[in-house]
Amino acid sequence: AQSVTQPDIHITVSEGASLELRCNYSYGATPYLFWYVQSPGQGLQLLLKYFSGDTLVQGIKGFEAEFKRSQSSFNLRKPSVHWSDAAEYFCAVGQTSGGSYIPTFGRGTSLIVHP
Amino acid sequence: DTAVSQTPKYLVTQMGNDKSIKCEQNLGHDTMYWYKQDSKKFLKIMFSYNNKELIINETVPNRFSPKSPDKAHLNLHINSLELGDSAVYFCASSQDWHGYTFGSGTRLTVV
Repeated sequence: AQSVTQPDIHITVSEGASLELRCNYSYGATPYLFWYVQSPGQGLQLLLKYFSGDTLVQGIKGFEAEFKRSQSSFNLRKPSVHWSDAAEYFCAVGQTSGGSYIPTFGRGTSLIVHP
Repeated sequence: DTAVSQTPKYLVTQMGNDKSIKCEQNLGHDTMYWYKQDSKKFLKIMFSYNNKELIINETVPNRFSPKSPDKAHLNLHINSLELGDSAVYFCASSQDWHGYTFGSGTRLTVV
């Protein structure tokens, strides 16, 4: 069965600093990988996704992620964090089941941004 | 226009009551889902409907019953509410992997 691990429950950074959120997955085939962001009181918004091809994926809001098969990782990065980036971040790996596309989510990493 | 809309946004009710949460999507997606997010932010799939047909029914109590009158709607009915049902419930829709869109959630509080 597939699984996703986000080893950091909380990450605290200063505004303007760089950010890396870690994600490791377990999946037998080539995975579909995603990063979502959840602002307080909101639903999840897709930041970026990887299906195949270039292993460095660009997303919205200045985020990028790199797929490393050898490390089973899909870490999210941003060169300079803004206070508005404070939110919960979820990594997910996808599988198909009976015509549905079901992401399995990690437990999330809470990003705290200090001014 | 909101792509995936849920109502109500907040729901406070007493134990033992029956309640429904409605979800509508205007994206033309074939598949709709219900997720439960607990107090620790863990997201767990509950149900998945593809073209009005139940595809996935994870291990949730049978007090939870989804209903899909058409492809654009997936409602969640909950009977005999319990304290442990308190959570945020998210509706989502997708068209293969390229259009997985979440609603803004319904915060259910059972007292």
